[in-house]
Amino acid sequence: DTGVSQNPRHKITKRGQNVTFRCDPISEHNRLYWYRQTLGQGPEFLTYFQNEAQLEKSRLLSDRFSAERPKGSFSTLEIQRTEQGDSAMYLCASSPRNQETQYFGPGTRLLVL
Amino acid sequence: QKEVEQNSGPLSVPEGAIASLNCTYSDRGSQSFFWYRQYSGKSPELIMSIYSNGDKEDGRFTAQLNKASQYVSLLIRDSQPSDSATYLCAAPRDGAGSYQLTFGKGTKLSVIP
Repeated sequence: DTGVSQNPRHKITKRGQNVTFRCDPISEHNRLYWYRQTLGQGPEFLTYFQNEAQLEKSRLLSDRFSAERPKGSFSTLEIQRTEQGDSAMYLCASSPRNQETQYFGPGTRLLVL
Repeated sequence: QKEVEQNSGPLSVPEGAIASLNCTYSDRGSQSFFWYRQYSGKSPELIMSIYSNGDKEDGRFTAQLNKASQYVSLLIRDSQPSDSATYLCAAPRDGAGSYQLTFGKGTKLSVIP
């Protein structure tokens, strides 16, 4: 059973550009989460999907951020008009049905210049 | 504001010693707790979960939960240099039924050969 995968692993972009990240959860995990982590901090929750429905969104998720999980499988996180403050590690995690345990992918490290 | 607090360290222990990592939480409704290990530049890796008061052992790791005092700890016996990492404590936000995890900032552990 493969783990959570994320692409790309690294992204360097210029301020003002749009970026999109992809997450493929563990097969048959129905819940999928996005977190953001900056240096010296623990991961901060961004949003959560159960199947294709987006059920929770953090106040951290500004209007420039949007996430989708169109068929209840993979998910995408898009950041529009990136800012230097968006530089962070973006982590995806998934959980099986009826379990709270979350398994993290390798993350996408974003650097906004 | 529901919080999870950890001593950021660094905590240094000699090889072979017991490392003790502590975490306190503010939400009395929290029912489950998770310890993750995170190597520098990598994503969090689940070590243990604990749901009931008392101890839970898994190999060299023991998680301890005291709901009355609102703390959870992780003991690592026979510490190895490969245990050197940041250890993150996490609990579901807003207690039972929430799926978003609130993380502490992590405790950096260094095991000295």
